[in-house]
Amino acid sequence: GNSVTQMEGPVTLSEEAFLTINCTYTATGYPSLFWYVQYPGEGLQLLLKATKADDKGSNKGFEATYRKETTSFHLEKGSVQVSDSAVYFCALSDPTSGTYKYIFGTGTRLKVLA
Amino acid sequence: GAVVSQHPSRVICKSGTSVKIECRSLDFQATTMFWYRQFPKQSLMLMATSNEGSKATYEQGVEKDKFLINHASLTLSTLTVTSAHPEDSSFYICSARKDVYSNQPQHFGDGTRLSIL
Repeated sequence: GNSVTQMEGPVTLSEEAFLTINCTYTATGYPSLFWYVQYPGEGLQLLLKATKADDKGSNKGFEATYRKETTSFHLEKGSVQVSDSAVYFCALSDPTSGTYKYIFGTGTRLKVLA
Repeated sequence: GAVVSQHPSRVICKSGTSVKIECRSLDFQATTMFWYRQFPKQSLMLMATSNEGSKATYEQGVEKDKFLINHASLTLSTLTVTSAHPEDSSFYICSARKDVYSNQPQHFGDGTRLSIL
């Protein structure tokens, strides 16, 4: 079946450090891929998306490229801020489900220190 | 951007009572809404998918008589936890999407923290 594997957290970085959060997937068909961010006590906010191979999603300095050859969608940011501290979820929309429901990764907690 | 409002944000009630949670799409018509449950420091678990005007589709292991879902309009879905017990305490999150059969993004509400005493 389809699945999403996300790197274990927590990830602790100093402000202005480079961030990578790994995400790999297995899927049949042609899923879309998403990154969401969750701040404490809140729901999920869409960070970026990519709908086909080689698409690059970007938003607020974050970016991720849909790589079909490595089945990956790693999240990167060149210089993190304290305000980026949150939990990040990688998700794919499952085209085999009929309703394109999401399959989420386990989430990666990021803590950025001043 | 697409805005989804969830209400209430927090509810505390006694065991045995029923609790209704509302999910509204404020600036778009949501043909499909999803209900999730999230345990502390874990990912989201899909409970059910609802399409406007039809019965919800529940995931395996989710009791449909326990978690009643109604999606009567294109902007409102409700989740009612019936006869709630302490084990139902959790963070419940809804999401909404414009199209039924689509890989477009889901837009999430801010969640409802349910505590059953």
